[in-house]
Amino acid sequence: NAGVTQTPKFQVLKTGQSMTLQCAQDMNHNSMYWYRQDPGMGLRLIYYSASEGTTDKGEVPNGYNVSRLNKREFSLRLESAAPSQTSVYFCASLRYWRDPSYNEQFFGPGTRLTVL
Amino acid sequence: QKEVEQDPGPLSVPEGAIVSLNCTYSNSAFQYFMWYRQYSRKGPELLMYTYSSGNKEDGRFTAQVDKSSKYISLFIRDSQPSDSATYLCAMRSGGSQGNLIFGKGTKLSVKP
Repeated sequence: NAGVTQTPKFQVLKTGQSMTLQCAQDMNHNSMYWYRQDPGMGLRLIYYSASEGTTDKGEVPNGYNVSRLNKREFSLRLESAAPSQTSVYFCASLRYWRDPSYNEQFFGPGTRLTVL
Repeated sequence: QKEVEQDPGPLSVPEGAIVSLNCTYSNSAFQYFMWYRQYSRKGPELLMYTYSSGNKEDGRFTAQVDKSSKYISLFIRDSQPSDSATYLCAMRSGGSQGNLIFGKGTKLSVKP
């Protein structure tokens, strides 16, 4: 069980370049999330997918697009990178316990992105 | 005012100290309260989970929720250098799909 995996671990882009961050989970979870973490800002939700085939905006969606490719994979795309998108990006998936009100997000190791 | 406020620290304590970490929040709809621990250059991992008001204890860790004051706390007894990490509070409203709102995180350093 690898849990939540993310690629790449590090990336440097120039302003205007595009790239896709990949995320996969092997825990058969329905819901997946993309966050960004910036110093002094905490974790902020970019997009989430409650189930395969659905995606919704979070707190900071501008400049990003997502694709829920299948149940395992949820990718985040930057079409035209900007320095303001320099951040650490985390993917997470959600496990429900027997009681649906108790659930837990599992996070990947993160992707450190620098936009010059 | 942010929905969740957390003092970012950093907080430095000697080994064996009792550590108190806190968050305040403004949304009275929050019912589920969590503490995540994040080691340097790693993803957050769930540490404690409480529902509504009250205390929950797990080993050296105690989570407290006071909904009347909109205030949650995490206490660490007999702190160890391995507790050095950033601690993030998180909370959500009811329902199984409520998204988490995170605090900024408090960076804790426990010195041997």
